[in-house]
Amino acid sequence: RKEVEQDPGPFNVPEGATVAFNCTYSNSASQSFFWYRQDCRKEPKLLMSVYSSGNEDGRFTAQLNRASQYISLLIRDSKLSDSATYLCVVNRNNNDMRFGAGTRLTVKP
Amino acid sequence: GAVVSQHPSRVICKSGTSVKIECRSLDFQATTMFWYRQFPKQSLMLMATSNEGSKATYEQGVEKDKFLINHASLTLSTLTVTSAHPEDSSFYICSARETGLLEAFFGQGTRLTVV
Repeated sequence: RKEVEQDPGPFNVPEGATVAFNCTYSNSASQSFFWYRQDCRKEPKLLMSVYSSGNEDGRFTAQLNRASQYISLLIRDSKLSDSATYLCVVNRNNNDMRFGAGTRLTVKP
Repeated sequence: GAVVSQHPSRVICKSGTSVKIECRSLDFQATTMFWYRQFPKQSLMLMATSNEGSKATYEQGVEKDKFLINHASLTLSTLTVTSAHPEDSSFYICSARETGLLEAFFGQGTRLTVV
């Protein structure tokens, strides 16, 4: 079993739709969690950290459920520019960052 | 966010030669740097984690003698692909984490083509 697993996608949604991505992690000792986005043939960029209480940044909401070892990302009112691959990232400790395989999102007009 | 510069962005080399890729944190000190490889339409695969002043920790299946990592200072890590072969052609990306912080920032990546 992979240490970080994500919905495989791809997700194809119309503009304005709400879309949710899920991610599970296997190591219960994991300490911190992030969502990154990666555009085609580019490096990943930090989208947001994920806090235990859940956090929101504009149209993006991230949630963490430690008991279920589950992280989610919700995107409301999708824009064409949201089209990218979304990567779930889990830190086990300061010397470790594990990436999920990514979920590809395409937002269509 | 913090800036990580990776150089070169693209390199073509002949089979059997070695290629060095540099990763620099421009405005912060990075105790830890990570090196990843990404094949087309696949996920980022962690190759190794390096800490300044110590030997890198390689992931299972990654040959440390082939992929030499040097993290000689708090702002620079290098990856040298030795005796490159066509199957080493890939997108290599570094990331750096500022001392005391958890999130990491990525370099622009290096697209290596071995012919």
